[in-house]
Amino acid sequence: SQQGEEDPQALSIQEGENATMNCSYKTSINNLQWYRQNSGRGLVHLILIRSNEREKHSGRLRVTLDTSKKSSSLLITASRAADTASYFCATDETGGFKTIFGAGTRLFVKA
Amino acid sequence: DVKVTQSSRYLVKRTGEKVFLECVQDMDHENMFWYRQDPGLGLRLIYFSYDVKMKEKGDIPEGYSVSREKKERFSLILESASTNQTSMYLCASVSAGANVLTFGAGSRLTVL
Repeated sequence: SQQGEEDPQALSIQEGENATMNCSYKTSINNLQWYRQNSGRGLVHLILIRSNEREKHSGRLRVTLDTSKKSSSLLITASRAADTASYFCATDETGGFKTIFGAGTRLFVKA
Repeated sequence: DVKVTQSSRYLVKRTGEKVFLECVQDMDHENMFWYRQDPGLGLRLIYFSYDVKMKEKGDIPEGYSVSREKKERFSLILESASTNQTSMYLCASVSAGANVLTFGAGSRLTVL
């Protein structure tokens, strides 16, 4: 079962612009994470936000979480060509063992 | 540098063959996972294991089995490969009680 659904499916922007990706989920969660995947490679963890947090920053990344709407957003500021990748949200359900991933957003940053 | 290593990056197999995908982690993690990734579907959980010799079905276990004889090694087995199992397979691990998964580089399997 898919828990997270990212929006948009694909995003193309110019270098220097901001990129915003959204994620919606269905059940109660302990935390929400964002991962990045370069083409043909494994996923790399970017940031984790707990269910009692509303916003978190890490470098050029800003993540928000709205548990009442069951949604999260990832903002990448001042994007670079090297940010070109797929970005996935992932949730750990309350009381569960599993981390469940969405379908991902493909970001293309043009130099 | 901590690692999850998937032994085969690319494999090509024929329908009906038995396929082994190996995953080894060097972080002493208790929990290990196998996902498959397909375009538009994201990552779907096949099986996971939270201890040696323990295994739990994920969302799409049909056609797959797993083996965890040692803590560091989690193997995914396709008893009789079929063309609809052509996919990218990703292994991940995490310590018990922790949240952040460490992934291997992936194994791209093509079944002809």
